[in-house]
Amino acid sequence: GDSVTQMEGPVTLSEEAFLTINCTYTATGYPSLFWYVQYPGEGLQLLLKATKADDKGSNKGFEATYRKETTSFHLEKGSVQVSDSAVYFCALSRRGEGQLTFGSGTQLTVLP
Amino acid sequence: DTGVSQDPRHKITKRGQNVTFRCDPISEHNRLYWYRQTLGQGPEFLTYFQNEAQLEKSRLLSDRFSAERPKGSFSTLEIQRTEQGDSAMYLCASSLGSGGDEQFFGPGTRLTVL
Repeated sequence: GDSVTQMEGPVTLSEEAFLTINCTYTATGYPSLFWYVQYPGEGLQLLLKATKADDKGSNKGFEATYRKETTSFHLEKGSVQVSDSAVYFCALSRRGEGQLTFGSGTQLTVLP
Repeated sequence: DTGVSQDPRHKITKRGQNVTFRCDPISEHNRLYWYRQTLGQGPEFLTYFQNEAQLEKSRLLSDRFSAERPKGSFSTLEIQRTEQGDSAMYLCASSLGSGGDEQFFGPGTRLTVL
């Protein structure tokens, strides 16, 4: 079945550091790929998405590129802020189906 | 507020009791999803509706779980004869259409089974 594997956390960075959170997936066909974020005390929110190979999703300074050849969708940000502290989830959905398959999440803490 | 709402936010029950949760999606969204999330894990898909039709159920959804979405609006998730292993956060999400569309999540209902 479909699966998503995320880099294990927690990850602790200093403000303005570079962030990479690795995500790889296993799925039949060509799924859509997502990064969701959960800030402390809040619900899950979509951060960015990509629906086909080589697409780059971007939002709030975060980027991720859909790499079909490596089945990856790594999340990057050039300079993190304290406000980026949250749990980040990589997810996929198959074409024509709505349900999301999530990774286990990566806790990010950014220190001032 | 036009977001997804869930009620109650917290539920504590004794093993063997039945519980029911409610989800109100964003009004124009025709898809509604239920997920379960345990501590330190990502959400796991349980079931989803397209309008009032329940289109898919996960193998995780045992016979003790039932979900409805009468009239294609709000949805309820009932767990009968609760077990301690049912303790989790139950999340509801809605979307306009099918795969690739953003799912908007509610705040969740935290269930604790004693």
